[in-house]
Amino acid sequence: AQTVTQSQPEMSVQEAETVTLSCTYDTSESDYYLFWYKQPPSRQMILVIRQEAYKQQNATENRFSVNFQKAAKSFSLKISDSQLGDAAMYFCAYRSFNAGGTSYGKLTFGQGTILTVHP
Amino acid sequence: DAGVIQSPRHEVTEMGQEVTLRCKPISGHDYLFWYRQTMMRGLELLIYFNNNVPIDDSGMPEDRFSAKMPNASFSTLKIQPSEPRDSAVYFCASTTWGKETQYFGPGTRLLVL
Repeated sequence: AQTVTQSQPEMSVQEAETVTLSCTYDTSESDYYLFWYKQPPSRQMILVIRQEAYKQQNATENRFSVNFQKAAKSFSLKISDSQLGDAAMYFCAYRSFNAGGTSYGKLTFGQGTILTVHP
Repeated sequence: DAGVIQSPRHEVTEMGQEVTLRCKPISGHDYLFWYRQTMMRGLELLIYFNNNVPIDDSGMPEDRFSAKMPNASFSTLKIQPSEPRDSAVYFCASTTWGKETQYFGPGTRLLVL
């Protein structure tokens, strides 16, 4: 079974600075997807960024980027120019490659990292 | 397009009562997922459906939990009887083949006293 580990229960950053959230995972699969979800106090789960394991290029979405190290099974999230609205719980998640048919890979989540942004 | 809709947003009930949580997936999505979030266990998948058929219910904690999807636009998660340890936030999510992302609803916060 796959496992996802977020070793930083809490992180803090000054507004406009950069912060990196860590995530490692364990799998024997070669094809899979990795995600970062944001959960603000409203509890809504919001997709931040997605990475396909077969892509060597790191995904980027505006101020959010990842450092995907497949051999090391590491998937960190970098937030640049942090804003107050970035304060939230961040979850790293793993999903097996969708084999099709009725099967859809199960999303496995890490325990989350609470990010605080100081003005 | 409307997102995933869940109701109620908050539910407070007493131990032993029946609780029904509702979900309307995004139109056109054929996969529907129920998750539970607790402090102790984090986010865990309870069950998921494809084309209204349950595919994997291995995460359903016990027989007190049941889920149905009578049609493509509606699903329920029922707890009968409820217990204090069922207190959690329950999320519904949906997606479709070809989309690699699941889209989450706002969640239902359940408190069982």
